Amino acid sequence: GENVEQHPSTLSVQEGDSAVIKCTYSDSASNYFPWYKQELGKRPQLIIDIRSNVGEKKDQRIAVTLNKTAKHFSLHITETQPEDSAVYFCAASINQAGTALIFGKGTTLSVSS
Amino acid sequence: DAGVTQSPTHLIKTRGQHVTLRCSPISGHKSVSWYQQVLGQGPQFIFQYYEKEERGRGNFPDRFSARQFPNYSSELNVNALLLGDSALYLCASSLIAEAFFGQGTRLTVV
Repeated sequence: GENVEQHPSTLSVQEGDSAVIKCTYSDSASNYFPWYKQELGKRPQLIIDIRSNVGEKKDQRIAVTLNKTAKHFSLHITETQPEDSAVYFCAASINQAGTALIFGKGTTLSVSS
Repeated sequence: DAGVTQSPTHLIKTRGQHVTLRCSPISGHKSVSWYQQVLGQGPQFIFQYYEKEERGRGNFPDRFSARQFPNYSSELNVNALLLGDSALYLCASSLIAEAFFGQGTRLTVV
């Protein structure tokens, strides 16, 4: 089955710096790759996603890149702000009817002002 | 615009007991998935249902079961509870690919 590895497990940056989180997946059939942000005690919130027919997607300060050949994808956050502090999860799925997501173990991002 | 709703929000059970968790998806969403999230870990896939049929099952014992009803709501059942079943149980609904999570049910087994 699918396995998703995520690095680093913790990341500390200064406000205004960029943050990069990387994930690798094992199943070449996976074709949908979302990223979730989870604040303490809250539900995971979808922040951006990418499908396998796209190499890069950007939404304001957040971007995701996908390298299908190498089976890895990355989350880039620019101009980080203290409110970006949270746990970030990458996931992968075979995009059939409905969605069964396989998650990475998460990255705790701390943005200090 | 109602999101995914789960009930109850918190639950305390004794080892060996049975528990039923409930999920109502976003209106129009036909797929529901269940995840277990242990503190400090990513959500682990348990079940996926689409149009009332099981479409996927994660690596969980047979003590875990689920079903989806004609109105697309879903139940997750866990029998013979173990201490290790203590976790946040998340339900997600989706229309095509994007999955939206409920607030979860915090289950504590004592």
